[in-house]
Amino acid sequence: DTAVSQTPKYLVTQMGNDKSIKCEQNLGHDTMYWYKQDSKKFLKIMFSYNNKELIINETVPNRFSPKSPDKAHLNLHINSLELGDSAVYFCASSLAYQAKNIQYFGAGTRLSVL
Amino acid sequence: DQQVKQNSPSLSVQEGRISILNCDYTNSMFDYFLWYKKYPAEGPTFLISISSIKDKNEDGRFTVFLNKSAKHLSLHIVPSQPGDSAVYFCAASASKSGGSNYKLTFGKGTLLTVNP
Repeated sequence: DTAVSQTPKYLVTQMGNDKSIKCEQNLGHDTMYWYKQDSKKFLKIMFSYNNKELIINETVPNRFSPKSPDKAHLNLHINSLELGDSAVYFCASSLAYQAKNIQYFGAGTRLSVL
Repeated sequence: DQQVKQNSPSLSVQEGRISILNCDYTNSMFDYFLWYKKYPAEGPTFLISISSIKDKNEDGRFTVFLNKSAKHLSLHIVPSQPGDSAVYFCAASASKSGGSNYKLTFGKGTLLTVNP
């Protein structure tokens, strides 16, 4: 059983399109995250949700809108895609209120904007 | 502003020898440090962690050392195996008041290659 699963794994689209990436975790965690790994290989946090409530929003453009319908799901919708959005997007989950912030990651979604 | 730095993009070692991966940080508020391992086309996988109140944590072949005064940590892998070949990320977190969830700040990663 995959603990954190993301779909799709690959996404190729044109500039200006709108796309969504879905994430689901079956670990019983209450906190979920979206990270972006850009061409320079840095993994940077974008958003964090705890019990469906937005906790962290790291100055991400408004074109990115996360949605958490329940604790086990965190989706990422991107409007008006730009070339610079090309990256690998990772979803992760963890249990809040623990000193060890061990986050479990999905396999990533490689987004290519043409 | 890189708060977590891994200055070696790559490291190559022989099978059976020790691999030492280094990480430096600048934020004094970091109180928990983690190492993740990442294979191509997969997500990062948690490997080992250490609290800022400790200076060493060991788990099998993996040991993490923390030098708070130098703001430096290292991951030792002994003995190294070809299956250890991957990108290793150092990450750090700073607890917030009230014990709410913490974000991880990652380094850029070091590609370890273990040659048979």
